[in-house]
Amino acid sequence: QQQVKQSPQSLIVQKGGIPIINCAYENTAFDYFPWYQQFPGKGPALLIAIRPDVSEKKEGRFTISFNKSAKQFSLHIMDSQPGDSATYFCAAKPQGAQKLVFGQGTRLTINP
Amino acid sequence: EADIYQTPRYLVIGTGKKITLECSQTMGHDKMYWYQQDPGMELHLIHYSYGVNSTEKGDLSSESTVSRIRTEHFPLTLESARPSHTSQYLCASRGVAYNEQFFGPGTRLTVL
Repeated sequence: QQQVKQSPQSLIVQKGGIPIINCAYENTAFDYFPWYQQFPGKGPALLIAIRPDVSEKKEGRFTISFNKSAKQFSLHIMDSQPGDSATYFCAAKPQGAQKLVFGQGTRLTINP
Repeated sequence: EADIYQTPRYLVIGTGKKITLECSQTMGHDKMYWYQQDPGMELHLIHYSYGVNSTEKGDLSSESTVSRIRTEHFPLTLESARPSHTSQYLCASRGVAYNEQFFGPGTRLTVL
């Protein structure tokens, strides 16, 4: 079964720090890697996404780093703010499929 | 902001009741999905649809059923609710040209 493993399960960072959330996958036949952000009581919302032919993508304070050979990708949040406190999910889309495989989620807390 | 709606937002019912969770989207998306999620935890795909009259079971076995008679509507039904069905149910949709899934706000179901 195709899997995406996400770590850490929870993370606490001081304001201004750079939290890093990591994901690893076991199947090379993925062609799209999104990150979703979910606040309590809300559905997940797309934060940023990357394709495997790109090693890094930056949107505002959020950066995805992608290492194809290691089958890993990570989310970095620059200058983190208390408003970034949320649960973050990585995901991967199998080639030819119309659905996503989600990681287990990381609960991020940014202390003021 | 995505135009995908779920009703009810919260539901508390007794064991054995039949319930239908509603999901509607106004974006004309052909692909729709139902996920089960314990609060803040991993998302599990339980049903998906690629279009009208097309439904498939997801990766997580579920006693629920779905139908897709209209493009914009993808209801989920539990014939006989049990306490083990207590969870959050998230609906999502996706258009043809994009990989992004748009999520609704979720229905928090409690079965007593």
